[in-house]
Amino acid sequence: SQTIHQWPATLVQPVGSPLSLECTVEGTSNPNLYWYRQAAGRGLQLLFYSVGIGQISSEVPQNLSASRPQDRQFILSSKKLLLSDSGFYLCAWQRGPLDGYTFGSGTRLTVV
Amino acid sequence: AQKVTQAQTEISVVEKEDVTLDCVYETRDTTYYLFWYKQPPSGELVFLIRRNSFDEQNEISGRYSWNFQKSTSSFNFTITASQVVDSAVYFCALSEGSSNTGKLIFGQGTTLQVKP
Repeated sequence: SQTIHQWPATLVQPVGSPLSLECTVEGTSNPNLYWYRQAAGRGLQLLFYSVGIGQISSEVPQNLSASRPQDRQFILSSKKLLLSDSGFYLCAWQRGPLDGYTFGSGTRLTVV
Repeated sequence: AQKVTQAQTEISVVEKEDVTLDCVYETRDTTYYLFWYKQPPSGELVFLIRRNSFDEQNEISGRYSWNFQKSTSSFNFTITASQVVDSAVYFCALSEGSSNTGKLIFGQGTTLQVKP
């Protein structure tokens, strides 16, 4: 069966520090991968998606970046965090464009 | 442009009441997919249902039912005999069939509180 792992679960980082959130999927190959952010009390905003290794599409210009170094690994990064980067970050995968998403357990990031 | 609207920000009911969560969508595609997800307090989103634009049959799964009406661009979700465990944020989402990326556009979510 397929599983998705996302870590860390919580993170408190100072403004200006770097960020690296990792997401891995098991039990499938060539999944579509997504990073979403959920600000407090708000809906989900798509940040990045990837349909294959090395293929990254950005939905919202910002100081975050994403990479997909391996088929089932998706990394969200920042060189310098801003206060506005605080939120709940969710990774998701889907088998194909017509399938539903399976979400990871999320990372709650607080930038102080 | 595609858009999903969940006009109800918060709903509070007493256990055993029925409750309907509204979802209205906008898309120019003739082929699209609609989803509902549940986000309990733990934060993880749980997939509930997917419907394609060619299937307007209502669906029932236990206490959950969904009413899809293309004429009004709505995909409403009803919980019958609500329980405290139903308390969560519920998201409606849209994926356009013309897209090969599978991107989901989410509504803002409806927070449901079921009181004992």
